Amino acid sequence: AQSVTQLDSQVPVFEEAPVELRCNYSSSVSVYLFWYVQYPNQGLQLLLKYLSGSTLVKGINGFEAEFNKSQTSFHLRKPSVHISDTAEYFCAVSGGSNYKLTFGKGTLLTVNP
Amino acid sequence: ETGVTQSPTHLIKTRGQQVTLRCSSQSGHNTVSWYQQALGQGPQFIFQYYREEENGRGNFPPRFSGLQFPNYSSELNVNALELDDSALYLCASAVSGWMNTEAFFGQGTRLTVV
Repeated sequence: AQSVTQLDSQVPVFEEAPVELRCNYSSSVSVYLFWYVQYPNQGLQLLLKYLSGSTLVKGINGFEAEFNKSQTSFHLRKPSVHISDTAEYFCAVSGGSNYKLTFGKGTLLTVNP
Repeated sequence: ETGVTQSPTHLIKTRGQQVTLRCSSQSGHNTVSWYQQALGQGPQFIFQYYREEENGRGNFPPRFSGLQFPNYSSELNVNALELDDSALYLCASAVSGWMNTEAFFGQGTRLTVV
């Protein structure tokens, strides 16, 4: 079985500040890792994913994440946030022959002026 | 914006009723999955369909059922609605074998059970 823990339910930051959203996972098999963003009343949009190779993954909108196998983490970072980054962010895992995505409970990022 | 479309966008039903939600997959995608997202929670996997057959199911009761049609569009049916079924229902589509790496989500259907 796989599981995802997003360590912060809410993260408030000021505009142009850096941000890190934390994600830890557990799995008995090799994993694929994802970050999705959900704007109010919208579906899920893929920000970035780790499948293999370089552990530093760059995504859309200036976000990046680092896969750390020893710490079973996949934290999302952005060096300078904008008001428009305000949204819910979900970390997800899949792996092995498991086709489904297992999501964390989400982190609400609120960017204040 | 993905090519996955869901209808309706919002729906209000009464407890005990039945509901059908619809999903049109992105062009070229033959696999569809459905997820339930309760308020304040992450999406939970309901089931997946490939070539009109259910080939995976999450921890949901049998009153949650689905169909996939020859054009790969899909329906999610929920019978005997309960208040706890109130949620955002998300459909995702992908090419076979890539659902866990290249899935595209629709905008969702917001179901409210009163």
